Amino acid sequence: DQQVKQNSPSLSVQEGRISILNCDYTNSMFDYFLWYKKYPAEGPTFLISISSIKDKNEDGRFTVFLNKSAKHLSLHIVPSQPGDSAVYFCAALTGTASKLTFGTGTRLQVTL
Amino acid sequence: DAMVIQNPRYQVTQFGKPVTLSCSQTLNHNVMYWYQQKSSQAPKLLFHYYDKDFNNEADTPDNFQSRRPNTSFCFLDIRSPGLGDAAMYLCATSRDGGTLYEQYFGPGTRLTVT
Repeated sequence: DQQVKQNSPSLSVQEGRISILNCDYTNSMFDYFLWYKKYPAEGPTFLISISSIKDKNEDGRFTVFLNKSAKHLSLHIVPSQPGDSAVYFCAALTGTASKLTFGTGTRLQVTL
Repeated sequence: DAMVIQNPRYQVTQFGKPVTLSCSQTLNHNVMYWYQQKSSQAPKLLFHYYDKDFNNEADTPDNFQSRRPNTSFCFLDIRSPGLGDAAMYLCATSRDGGTLYEQYFGPGTRLTVT
């Protein structure tokens, strides 16, 4: 049972445009959500997070939006840069556990 | 630079032949995790150590064991690898007292079973 779902395995965006990566979850006990970025031959690195008590968190070019009623979150990257090309994983956890539940990832390609 | 190191990066083993993957960290984090990631799938937590306390996930096969002799090192032992155990194995760390969700990952070991 996939509790965190990333339904788009890949996304291609032109440099300078907005990239929107989506994530859906089913477990209403999740109260913290994270995005990780992974380059080839490297481990995932933490990018940005959001608590369930918020609906938006912004860090430079990266903004995460959370819609709890829809159990949906999205990562916006504006403007997209070629160096943003990577696999992006959505992850979630509950406050009582240190266990991250990951989605399957979305491969973002930013083209010139 | 403080980091999480995994050795080897690529490991080939034979069906049924025990194999050990290693992870070391210079971050002095007290929590260490092992994940399994198969192709096009989400990383799946196998187990984690909170200091010396071992926490096994309910669905982790008995074939997978782990050791943590000290803060810096953690090992993943696969006693009798099957073809289905071929995957990327990721080690991660985090710090209690910090934000546990900020897990720092190593580059992974890709295991091939022949």
